[in-house]
Amino acid sequence: EPEVTQTPSHQVTQMGQEVILRCVPISNHLYFYWYRQILGQKVEFLVSFYNNEISEKSEIFDDQFSVERPDGSNFTLKIRSTKLEDSAMYFCASSGSQIGQGAGYTFGSGTRLTVV
Amino acid sequence: AQKITQTQPGMFVQEKEAVTLDCTYDTSDPSYGLFWYKQPSSGEMIFLIYQGSYDQQNATEGRYSLNFQKARKSANLVISASQLGDSAMYFCAMREENTGNQFYFGTGTSLTVIP
Repeated sequence: EPEVTQTPSHQVTQMGQEVILRCVPISNHLYFYWYRQILGQKVEFLVSFYNNEISEKSEIFDDQFSVERPDGSNFTLKIRSTKLEDSAMYFCASSGSQIGQGAGYTFGSGTRLTVV
Repeated sequence: AQKITQTQPGMFVQEKEAVTLDCTYDTSDPSYGLFWYKQPSSGEMIFLIYQGSYDQQNATEGRYSLNFQKARKSANLVISASQLGDSAMYFCAMREENTGNQFYFGTGTSLTVIP
């Protein structure tokens, strides 16, 4: 079964450093997303991406965050200058269609980011 | 207002018994989908079951069923014949047809299955 692949599974970074989280969405999917889950809390939407641009973003997704689809397969989340409160599990997701709630919406297994 | 409310932070169930995890939702969109995900301690989000707002019948997937009561805006997950491997966090989520693609998640319920 097709899956969304995230790398690395765990990353530790120094406060103030830039970090890039990588995702390979399902190949025929068109919509891509990043979510964040701070330890012990609920999963929160960060951003959605379609047709090489951001289609929607939350208040959490401020200027220190950016997303990119540098080639035909990868989808990345960059955090420019990490803060302690950026420590969280970051989930990538992709879907095949905006219309239709099932629409093959698939989550990756997550990257656990620890900022020290 | 919260889009998804899960009022049970923790639940215990005896092995082989059934358990119901509560979820209520809030939306004015007539077309939406409701989802349940399982998150074991390893952290990944495992899709369990989906219910569309126009579905006439309650969704079922193996030991999982969704008790969908549209008028009450509830979408409770029922796990039958609980197994030790069911111990995990369970998240209810919603996606609305007309207000973007994002999922709205509840705060989760931690389920512990007791042998």
